[in-house]
Amino acid sequence: QKEVEQNSGPLSVPEGAIASLNCTYSDRGSQSFFWYRQYSGKSPELIMSIYSNGDKEDGRFTAQLNKASQYVSLLIRDSQPSDSATYLCAVANDYKLSFGAGTTVTVRA
Amino acid sequence: DADVTQTPRNRITKTGKRIMLECSQTKGHDRMYWYRQDPGLGLRLIYYSFDVKDINKGEISDGYSVSRQAQAKFSLSLESAIPNQTALYFCATSAVPGLAGGPTDTQYFGPGTRLTVL
Repeated sequence: QKEVEQNSGPLSVPEGAIASLNCTYSDRGSQSFFWYRQYSGKSPELIMSIYSNGDKEDGRFTAQLNKASQYVSLLIRDSQPSDSATYLCAVANDYKLSFGAGTTVTVRA
Repeated sequence: DADVTQTPRNRITKTGKRIMLECSQTKGHDRMYWYRQDPGLGLRLIYYSFDVKDINKGEISDGYSVSRQAQAKFSLSLESAIPNQTALYFCATSAVPGLAGGPTDTQYFGPGTRLTVL
């Protein structure tokens, strides 16, 4: 079983819609959770970090964490063509990050 | 100027050659990491260093070695490159947890090095 699993995608959404990305993790001791966005051929850039159960909102992005279910999600509201990228879920334990394989999102104009 | 730089950005080499990838940072972070990325496999940790005298193996360290020359410099070497080491390599840095909030601080990535081994 992989440490961090993401819905494989690709995910295609129309412009203005909500994109929903899911991530599950296997290590119950995981402490911190991150979502990175990666454009093709570029480096990952941080979108959101979340440490406590519940929701955290930043602009059009909302991260949701449920440690009991070992589940973290990312919602992108009012999706724009510039949101087309691969989204990486990362889970931290003992100060090291484990990454999911990523979900590729395409926003259709 | 970029906070985390990597050189070279692209490299094509032949099987058996020794290759060094370099990473420098101006963020003042103590912790540095090397990852490789392969299609469909995400990012995998090769080595990490929490300070100049601390070097640790990651999940896929075989075939690689590292050197932490200074707080700001962390190099990755492939002593004898092989084709399955063809990948995108990223360096990352982070601050010591607690100094910038949260139990584990964010990792910041360099632009990457695309390595092809023929």
